[in-house]
Amino acid sequence: DGGITQSPKYLFRKEGQNVTLSCEQNLNHDAMYWYRQDPGQGLRLIYYSQIVNDFQKGDIAEGYSVSREKKESFPLTVTSAQKNPTAFYLCASSIVNTDTQYFGPGTRLTVL
Amino acid sequence: QKEVEQNSGPLSVPEGAIASLNCTYSDRVSQSFFWYRQYSGKSPELIMSIYSNGDKEDGRFTAQLNKASQYVSLLIRDSQPSDSATYLCAVDGASGGSNYKLTFGKGTLLTVNP
Repeated sequence: DGGITQSPKYLFRKEGQNVTLSCEQNLNHDAMYWYRQDPGQGLRLIYYSQIVNDFQKGDIAEGYSVSREKKESFPLTVTSAQKNPTAFYLCASSIVNTDTQYFGPGTRLTVL
Repeated sequence: QKEVEQNSGPLSVPEGAIASLNCTYSDRVSQSFFWYRQYSGKSPELIMSIYSNGDKEDGRFTAQLNKASQYVSLLIRDSQPSDSATYLCAVDGASGGSNYKLTFGKGTLLTVNP
């Protein structure tokens, strides 16, 4: 059953803690993306990667970090430097050199 | 900075009517256009893509693209209560190595009343 999985579905973080959101895909897609969605807002790009061991900052990368050690996995770390991390985080993937993106189910992060 | 504008709504239509959702974009060289449906609390789901001027039909959905006017729309015929969702317009900026990033509008909330 091909698709994109994200875990956990809900995540609660205390202020000052780093947390890592998981994104895995078995679609054999080369490109992967992380977006953030706030209520009433569109999706904003955090980081993206088109190939293993390479990634680029998106529009709102400050306070976030990523790695791409495997084609199937693109974890996102929300660091304590991110001032307002409470949001819905969405991972997406696409075949490289195409622009059709497919989304995972998302992780809802809440800072306590 | 590429911009994608959508009327936030809510757009309310009766069951069985045609719902018309509109989107304008700022990057004149954009080549690819997408409509995603997002139910409350869920992730976006791709419903249509369009690349050429004109209409593209898929079941009850029709996407319309006018590059000269920088305008893309989505028509939903025979609207059903299950179509009630937020519809996101996304545009690719193809100008010189955009790396296939998409810019999303804020979405239009559609409510179909039984």
